Parts: sequence; C-alpha cells; structure tokens
Amino acid sequence: GENVEQHPSTLSVQEGDSAVIKCTYSDSASNYFPWYKQELGKGPQLIIDIRSNVGEKKDQRIAVTLNKTAKHFSLHITETQPEDSAVYFCAASRRGTYKYIFGTGTRLKVLA
Amino acid sequence: DSGVTQTPKHLITATGQRVTLRCSPRSGDLSVYWYQQSLDQGLQFLIQYYNGEERAKGNILERFSAQQFPDLHSELNLSSLELGDSALYFCASSPGQGTVLGANVLTFGAGSRLTVL
Repeated sequence: GENVEQHPSTLSVQEGDSAVIKCTYSDSASNYFPWYKQELGKGPQLIIDIRSNVGEKKDQRIAVTLNKTAKHFSLHITETQPEDSAVYFCAASRRGTYKYIFGTGTRLKVLA
Repeated sequence: DSGVTQTPKHLITATGQRVTLRCSPRSGDLSVYWYQQSLDQGLQFLIQYYNGEERAKGNILERFSAQQFPDLHSELNLSSLELGDSALYFCASSPGQGTVLGANVLTFGAGSRLTVL
C-alpha cells in the first residue's frame, strides 16, 4: 500500500550547522511533496513544497530536492537556529486527490 | 493563526463516552480533512469532505463518523471511546478537492487533544 518512510526519527545539530531529513515514497503516482513543521502545542504548518515536475526548490535557508526515479525527497535546512527546533513531517500526495500520506516525523533539536 | 478553527482545544472524558470535535475551515476553502496523531506517531488520515460530500476515507474506525455542513464546518464524532482513542485530532482545509494542479495545499488547525480515562 501507500507508504512514506522518513529518516532520521530524531536529529540533533549544533546551531549554525545544516540538517537533512530524508523521505522515500512508494506510490509512483504521487506528484506533490509538502514539508510541514510542527511546534509544540501547535498544528503542522507548511514550510515548503515541491511538485514532481521540479527537481529542487529553495526558500531562504530551507530547500527541498526530489529524485523521482529513486522516489526520494529531502529537506535541507542550512545555518540552523534554535527556533528551527520542532518536529518535521514529509508527505506525499497522489495526483487527483488531496489524501496525504505522511512520514512518521523527525524531531529536530538545534543546540545553542 | 492558520485560519482553521478547532474546538475544543482539550477534552477529557471516560471510556464508553461519545464526543464531538468541531472544525471551521479557512475562509473560501471547500475541503475539510480529519487526521489523528497519537503519541509519538505520525499523522493518520481519517476522512475528507468536499462541499458537504465525503470524498476520501482513510483509517477511520466504524465508531467514528464525520460530516460537513452547508456552512462548510465539519464535525468528527467519536463514540464508545477507548483508552487508545486518546490522541490529537487535527482538522485541515484546502481550496478544492484535489483535481487542480497548484491547489493541493492543506492548512491545519491547532488540533483538539482528546484524553480518554
């Protein structure tokens, strides 16, 4: 069935270093890949997304890359700051539906 | 504030009881989705409504039901509650129903935390 694997489950980095979170999806019909950030006590918030016709997208310190052949996509955060500490979820959405399959989340801790 | 409003924020109840969670979507959004997030778990899709009609169903138990009303708000009804139903329940909304490229963006509410004792 449809599945999204996300690694690592926890990640600690020093402030200023980069963080990379990786996801693999199983449904080849997926064409939209959003990343959500969930801070403590809040709902997930969209931080960046990528569509299957694009290989990379950047927005200031965050970037997402997509390898359709390998069914991999990754979130890259550069120059991490303490406020980047949160749980990050990747997701894959199938063409023609809004049903998102979420990864299990990565708890990122940025150490000051 | 995401524009998606969920009530109540917290709810404590006993096993066997029934509760109703309410969601008002972002202004202009026609689709509403319900997700369950258990402790240290990811987001599990429960059900989607578009303009009052059920569009997609996920891992929703038979004890759970939902509906979307003409004013587009939605309610998730959880009955015969069990300890394992304790979780965060998120509502999300989107403009359309998933057929238009460029409109596949979900906006989440802050969630309703259900504790079953």
